[in-house]
Amino acid sequence: AQSVTQLDSQVPVFEEAPVELRCNYSSSVSVYLFWYVQYPNQGLQLLLKYLSGSTLVKGINGFEAEFNKSQTSFHLRKPSVHISDTAEYFCAVTEEPNDYKLSFGAGTTVTVRA
Amino acid sequence: DADVTQTPRNRITKTGKRIMLECSQTKGHDRMYWYRQDPGLGLRLIYYSFDVKDINKGEISDGYSVSRQAQAKFSLSLESAIPNQTALYFCATSDEGTEGYGYTFGSGTRLTVV
Repeated sequence: AQSVTQLDSQVPVFEEAPVELRCNYSSSVSVYLFWYVQYPNQGLQLLLKYLSGSTLVKGINGFEAEFNKSQTSFHLRKPSVHISDTAEYFCAVTEEPNDYKLSFGAGTTVTVRA
Repeated sequence: DADVTQTPRNRITKTGKRIMLECSQTKGHDRMYWYRQDPGLGLRLIYYSFDVKDINKGEISDGYSVSRQAQAKFSLSLESAIPNQTALYFCATSDEGTEGYGYTFGSGTRLTVV
């Protein structure tokens, strides 16, 4: 069975600084990987996803993530954050092409300070 | 109108009461899901449905039941609510392939059991 570990529960960061959110997964088969963002009092919005192909995936709002199969990781990065990036970020994985059940990490709260 | 609509947005109910959370979608997706979100635990799958006649338990289905009334409607019921079911509940839909395993989430229902 798949599982997801987000290594940081809270990440404070100053505006215009870079940020990296770490995500590791465990699975015995091929996976599809996702990052979602949840702004305060809102639902989840897809930032980016890895299905196949290039291991560097670019998403919305300047975010990108790199899939590393050997390290079973899918870390999310942004080179320069804004106050508006303050949110909770979730890494998620699904194992099989026809499974469609997403397993989520516990989430990382990013707080951007001026 | 939102693609995935959840009602109510907020609800306070008493222990032992029966409550239904409703979800409707205009995406035309066959697959629908109910998740609950708890601080520090991320989102956990309660039930999922691949079509009107196919309903499956997720990882935390005890104390919950669901009904798939139509392709567009998927309801979650708490037969006898208890305080540890206080959480934020999300409905989601997914497509088989045209959107590349894209999930669409509703805005959530915040349920408080007192």
